[in-house]
Amino acid sequence: GAVVSQHPSRVICKSGTSVKIECRSLDFQATTMFWYRQFPKQSLMLMATSNEGSKATYEQGVEKDKFLINHASLTLSTLTVTSAHPEDSSFYICSAAIGGANEKLFFGSGTQLSVL
Amino acid sequence: EDKVVQSPLSLVVHEGDTVTLNCSYEVTNFRSLLWYKQEKKAPTFLFMLTSSGIEKKSGRLSSILDKKELFSILNITATQTGDSAVYLCALTQGGSEKLVFGKGTKLTVNP
Repeated sequence: GAVVSQHPSRVICKSGTSVKIECRSLDFQATTMFWYRQFPKQSLMLMATSNEGSKATYEQGVEKDKFLINHASLTLSTLTVTSAHPEDSSFYICSAAIGGANEKLFFGSGTQLSVL
Repeated sequence: EDKVVQSPLSLVVHEGDTVTLNCSYEVTNFRSLLWYKQEKKAPTFLFMLTSSGIEKKSGRLSSILDKKELFSILNITATQTGDSAVYLCALTQGGSEKLVFGKGTKLTVNP
């Protein structure tokens, strides 16, 4: 079946550094990918919608200069957390849908970010 | 403000028990409701519901939507330890692929 690969699965970094997370659709092309954040015991919150070849669409309250999204190809979207701070520590997860259909939405395995 | 409320937040049962998970919602321009199972990291798709009263079934899992009372239930019969996971309910609204998630129900099935 379709697979979305997310890397790295876990990252620990110092405050002030930038962290890049990759999301790849392995056997299908994804014109749209979604980035979510999940704090402990909270629901998945959509951060932004990543569109291939154009600017990402950010949800209200998400700083676009803080969370840089690049979707340069049909199989790769990246999320860069710039100048990370401890409050950015969270579980980040991407998803992509085949044909834009929600029932064919596949999630990556997520990235646990810990900022010291 | 649109919201999705799942209950209970956590549930502990023994193997063989039947469980019912609830998801109620208040959203404008409802389009579909989806259930996901999140075991360790990546949620996996279970069901998508768009019409009231039509049960969807997959093995021991089934789900139904009530658009009048604005809720859905997910039933799991003859639970197994492998059913232990967080079950997420999410909604989509007309014209958008955005998913609005509830906080999930953490199910623990003990042997």
